[in-house]
Amino acid sequence: DIVMTQTPLSSPVTLGQAASISCRSSQSLVNSDGNTYLSWLQQRPGQPPRLLIYKISNRFSGVPDRFSGSGAGTDFTLKISRVEAEDVGVYYCTQAKQFPITFGQGTRLEIK
Amino acid sequence: EVQLLESGGGLVQPGGSLRLSCAASGFTFNSYAMSWVRQAPGKGLEWVSYITSSGGNTYYADSVKGRFTISRDNSKNTVYLHMNSLRDEDTAVYYCASYTRAFDYWGQGTLVTVSS
Repeated sequence: DIVMTQTPLSSPVTLGQAASISCRSSQSLVNSDGNTYLSWLQQRPGQPPRLLIYKISNRFSGVPDRFSGSGAGTDFTLKISRVEAEDVGVYYCTQAKQFPITFGQGTRLEIK
Repeated sequence: EVQLLESGGGLVQPGGSLRLSCAASGFTFNSYAMSWVRQAPGKGLEWVSYITSSGGNTYYADSVKGRFTISRDNSKNTVYLHMNSLRDEDTAVYYCASYTRAFDYWGQGTLVTVSS
């Protein structure tokens, strides 16, 4: 199984400041079709998860452009350029290169 | 508007069975793979099962293999999760999610509690 490791597990951030979450996979997520199936989800308190970013860096429909994804191979990053109050929640990276699909442990974003 | 509505959760004794349903609307259901993902109380996300758009291929987490069965009825725009031999550790909110580029859309979830 591919293990997804996120850091940090908790991230206190000042409103308006940037935040960054890292995700490392135990093996390369580059698929034989050339795509890298790494995505990022946001789960606000009491809500189901929501897709933010797919295939490393593609923003999903309706996702603000302050969210961006980057990386390659086994190392990936989610950046929020200017944190807003509505960004509070838990962020998960996930891989779908192979079954079983696996998730990172989650990173809790909170406001200082 | 895409909607996924799960139902069928509840309290069940260890060793019991449940069938979860997820009714989809607002998109071309038979073009999307579907998946079930669960979240135990206070814990992270755990992928459970996946079914291709036609229903021809299914995949399971080792933790549920042999006990859970995913299926779909494209004429009813519904995906199911049949759960047998339930254990305490299956207690969780179960979400259905559509899958194309990633887990695109999610339902609100249905709570399954396994307890005597």
